[in-house]
Amino acid sequence: QVQLQESGPGLVKPSETLSLTCAVSGYSISSGYYWAWIRQPPGKVLEWIGSMYHGGTTYYNPSLKSRVTTSVDTSKNQFSLKLSSVTAADTAVYYCARRTSWCAFDIWGQGTMVTVSS
Amino acid sequence: QSALTQPRSVSGSPGQSVTISCTGTSSDVGGYNYVSWYQQHPGKAPKLIISDVVKRPSGVPDRFSGSKSGNTASLTISGLQAEDEADYYCCSYVGSYTKVFGGGTKLTVL
Repeated sequence: QVQLQESGPGLVKPSETLSLTCAVSGYSISSGYYWAWIRQPPGKVLEWIGSMYHGGTTYYNPSLKSRVTTSVDTSKNQFSLKLSSVTAADTAVYYCARRTSWCAFDIWGQGTMVTVSS
Repeated sequence: QSALTQPRSVSGSPGQSVTISCTGTSSDVGGYNYVSWYQQHPGKAPKLIISDVVKRPSGVPDRFSGSKSGNTASLTISGLQAEDEADYYCCSYVGSYTKVFGGGTKLTVL
């Protein structure tokens, strides 16, 4: 059974960098699939942040591209997200997910709430 | 990229059928057969219920079905059950390796 688990600070100060990690169990990241980050501000809609492949290919939401960096660590079977220069607008539940088709994310982590506040 | 347009809410009685629409443009919904639907209960992660317009993942009841006509995709839930009450989101590929979600629809089972 494939499971994803997000981890990282729940509180980040404005202008700093948000860093999250997604640990994958039950499946080897290096075996295939794209892996993604998606967020949902409180009471608002889902927003795709970016997707990455273990070989290094990455795709980012154009609206966030200048602030997003992602990476994959196959030795730890996990992938990560860094979002720089955060503001209150980046406050959201952040999900990691496995992508099976262009807009199909079949397995999701439980989500982690990140609040941007001083 | 603007969010896809969904009705804010729909409702139906147990046993009835409801359809949720997802309207985009020829650059997204109408241009690709990559529309997915997600069910999200309060405080939970979204669950994939339809991919690639019509594909139903293993374990999803056949009461859930997807379709597309022109720039509008639709999710139909037949034989409505109390546990179907949730928020539903569509998602479409919009080209250039980018995807966008709909505004979400709250389904109330009366």
